[in-house]
Amino acid sequence: ETGVTQSPTHLIKTRGQQVTLRCSSQSGHNTVSWYQQALGQGPQFIFQYYREEENGRGNFPPRFSGLQFPNYSSELNVNALELDDSALYLCASSNNRNSYEQYFGPGTRLTVT
Amino acid sequence: GIQVEQSPPDLILQEGANSTLRCNFSDSVNNLQWFHQNPWGQLINLFYIPSGTKQNGRLSATTVATERYSLLYISSSQTTDSGVYFCAVDSGSARQLTFGSGTQLTVLP
Repeated sequence: ETGVTQSPTHLIKTRGQQVTLRCSSQSGHNTVSWYQQALGQGPQFIFQYYREEENGRGNFPPRFSGLQFPNYSSELNVNALELDDSALYLCASSNNRNSYEQYFGPGTRLTVT
Repeated sequence: GIQVEQSPPDLILQEGANSTLRCNFSDSVNNLQWFHQNPWGQLINLFYIPSGTKQNGRLSATTVATERYSLLYISSSQTTDSGVYFCAVDSGSARQLTFGSGTQLTVLP
């Protein structure tokens, strides 16, 4: 069974640029959620995708957007990057048929300079 | 939204000691999970425990849903247990997890 994978592992961007982060869900999972974890804090929910549609959104501005593909993998896009966007971005997948337990990937560490 | 409080914020133990971490939440929940975050940032699933008691080796957890709290017990601590422990709950139809601020555990040799 393949776990949740994310790419890239880390990257550095300049304020104002755009970034795309990628996530492959665990096999058999149909739901992907994205979280942002600032240094020293717990992860915060960004949004969730189920069957290629957004299924819930946290308190993040519209410049945070996402996609889910037919194979259940997902992308997180952030436009007009700000310094405060520097964080660890975590992707989690779950199988919302039998259980809502979420499994996390290793994360992408984004630094905005 | 639902509030999640974890205590203590920091805990330092000698190897071999036992510990109890607490998670209080402000509303009824559909899901409660305990995670261990390793130094590289990976969240490791420890327990999926919206109610009841579970054990896995030296770790066990109890959730009393009616009183809105959960406890994580670590027995015979090892240095590899060091890291941040998070409790996370979901209470809505969107199944989004709300995390506590974590407990930083340091186990000294």
